[in-house]
Amino acid sequence: QLQLQESGPGLVKPSETLSLTCTVSGGSISSSSYYWGWIRQPPGKGLEWIGSIYYSGSTYYNPSLKSRVTISVDTSKNQFSLKLSSVTAADTAVYYCARHTYSLFDYWGQGTLVTVSS
Amino acid sequence: DIQMTQSPSSLSASVGDRVTITCRASQSISSYLNWYQQKPGKAPKLLIYAASSLQSGVPSRFSGSGSGTDFTLTISSLQPEDFATYYCQQSYSTPPQFTFGPGTKVDIK
Repeated sequence: QLQLQESGPGLVKPSETLSLTCTVSGGSISSSSYYWGWIRQPPGKGLEWIGSIYYSGSTYYNPSLKSRVTISVDTSKNQFSLKLSSVTAADTAVYYCARHTYSLFDYWGQGTLVTVSS
Repeated sequence: DIQMTQSPSSLSASVGDRVTITCRASQSISSYLNWYQQKPGKAPKLLIYAASSLQSGVPSRFSGSGSGTDFTLTISSLQPEDFATYYCQQSYSTPPQFTFGPGTKVDIK
């Protein structure tokens, strides 16, 4: 059974860079059929796709966040990572990693709350 | 960018009720529309993909329909475990650019 697990600091200071890693187990991140993405959800609000990566390294970002987002993959560790720079309180959210095909998200991590505060 | 809207934003219903949620896209997205269920403190769960295909393991009381810009999610007989928030998501754009609807919260009447 595929499992995804987010990890990283739960508290980030304003203007700093948020960094999260998603570890994939029970399957290979190098599968040619899937992409690996990040989605976030501010407290009490809806879902926002941040961006995705293919195992080859091709990346796709939400235009509204593109200038601040970097997603990378480490196939040797079966992990992919998110960096979001210049964070503000508006970036406080639960961050999910997920596997997706070209169109749907079928496996999700449990999510991790990241709070931006001094 | 393709924008998604949902109606209603919330609804109250009783066990056994038939519930319908509507999702509308700002432009035609053919059948590139998925539905997710999210319970408090949990990750979303895929229910319906490609507008009307039931994900494996999802009860048959869930169904989806529509194409173009207008889509519906129907729960034929609401069960206690169905009280949750439901999101639609479009996947029409190439390269991948995903947008979720704002959600519809279904709670107990």
